Amino acid sequence: DIQMTQSPSSVSASVGDRVSITCRASQDVSNWLAWFQQKPGKAPKLLIYAASTLQSGVPSRFSGSGSGTDFTLTISSLQPEDFATYFCQQANSFPFTFGPGTKVEIK
Amino acid sequence: QVQLVQSGAEVKKPGASVKVSCKASGYTFTSYFIYWVRQAPGQGLELMGVINPSGGTTNYARKFQGRVSMTRDTSTSTVYMDLSSLRSEDTAVYYCARQWLKASKWFDPWGQGTLVTVSS
Repeated sequence: DIQMTQSPSSVSASVGDRVSITCRASQDVSNWLAWFQQKPGKAPKLLIYAASTLQSGVPSRFSGSGSGTDFTLTISSLQPEDFATYFCQQANSFPFTFGPGTKVEIK
Repeated sequence: QVQLVQSGAEVKKPGASVKVSCKASGYTFTSYFIYWVRQAPGQGLELMGVINPSGGTTNYARKFQGRVSMTRDTSTSTVYMDLSSLRSEDTAVYYCARQWLKASKWFDPWGQGTLVTVSS
């Protein structure tokens, strides 16, 4: 199975800050990479797919980049509703696997 | 709108089986795959497998093969996930998620989740 890692595991930031989260795959996944946001007690929400395509309804402050093994999720100006845990997921090879998550906390 | 509604929380003893349902609405049930993903308390997400509601074909993650079974009932637009020989490590929230677009591998939307607790 493809192993996914994320860094940092948590980040403390203030409203308005720019936040970047990195995801790395143990082997090439091309652009078969998605990002999810999850809030406590809720199901994950798809933010970005195909590494850089914004899902419908997701604010434009979210962006994704990368291909191959290294990917980045960026929130350009953090809003109060963005405090949550973010997961990356590869969909290149079954079973699709997820990163361990990055918790974005209020500073 | 597209919606997946799952069955309620379950408490099971070690060695027992659990069956979780996922009822779909708002779209043509047989046109989109359904995935099952679980999340242990405070942990990450783990894909268990996928079912094609059209023909009922399945693909399970190696970790769960032999213990999991995914089926569907097209008359009620419902998918089921059966997990047997439960152990404490199976305590988790179980989610179903739909294939977002036909032939895509992205998960959207998700069901609300079903907590399965395995305890003696």
